[in-house]
Amino acid sequence: GAVVSQHPSWVICKSGTSVKIECRSLDFQATTMFWYRQFPKQSLMLMATSNEGSKATYEQGVEKDKFLINHASLTLSTLTVTSAHPEDSSFYICSARDYGQGYTFGSGTRLTVV
Amino acid sequence: QKEVEQNSGPLSVPEGAIASLNCTYSDRGSQSFFWYRQYSGKSPELIMFIYSNGDKEDGRFTAQLNKASQYVSLLIRDSQPSDSATYLCAVPTSGTYKYIFGTGTRLKVLA
Repeated sequence: GAVVSQHPSWVICKSGTSVKIECRSLDFQATTMFWYRQFPKQSLMLMATSNEGSKATYEQGVEKDKFLINHASLTLSTLTVTSAHPEDSSFYICSARDYGQGYTFGSGTRLTVV
Repeated sequence: QKEVEQNSGPLSVPEGAIASLNCTYSDRGSQSFFWYRQYSGKSPELIMFIYSNGDKEDGRFTAQLNKASQYVSLLIRDSQPSDSATYLCAVPTSGTYKYIFGTGTRLKVLA
C-alpha cells in the first residue's frame, strides 16, 4: 500500500528557533499533501493544503508566515515552523492522497518547544 | 460550517463483544466516508472507507452508511484488547479533497 514517510518523528527545540518537518510519498506521486496539527486528546485540525508547484492554501486562523510550506516535487512537502514558541508544541501529521487508496498519513512529528 | 460529530466516549466493551461506533455529518453532498484508528501517540491508520448506502464488510470490521440520515457507523466484531484506540470518522468536504475529522471515539476493550 501507499507509504508516507515523515521526519523527524520527534524534535525538541528552543523557543525562537525554526524547525523543518519533511513529508515524503515513497511509492506514489502526491500533487496534494495536507498538514495537520493535533493537540493532546483533541482531533486532527487541518492547517494547510500543500500543492506541488504552487502556494499552499492555509486554513482560517493559521499564520502562513509562521508555518511555511514548500511542495517542490511530487514526492516531498516540508513544513517549517518559524520562530517556534511553547504554544506551538504539538503533534504535526502530514497526509497524502493516493488515488484509489484514500489518504495515507505520515507517522507524525512530536514537536516540543522549550 | 461543515461538521462531523462523534461521541468522545470512552466506549467500553468486553473482549469478544461487538463495538459500535457512530458518526454523523452535516454536509449532504459528501460522497465518501472514512474510518481511521489512532493509537495514543501515533498517527491515524485507515481501517476502511465506504461510498454507497448499506454495509461494507472487511474482516471483523463493518462500515454502515445511511446518507438519508447522514450517519455512518463502524462495527467491530469479536473485539480484542488490541482494538483499544481512538476511532476517527473522516468526511471529505464535497467538491474538495479536504477531510473534516470527527473528534474521535475512544474505545476500550476489556480483557
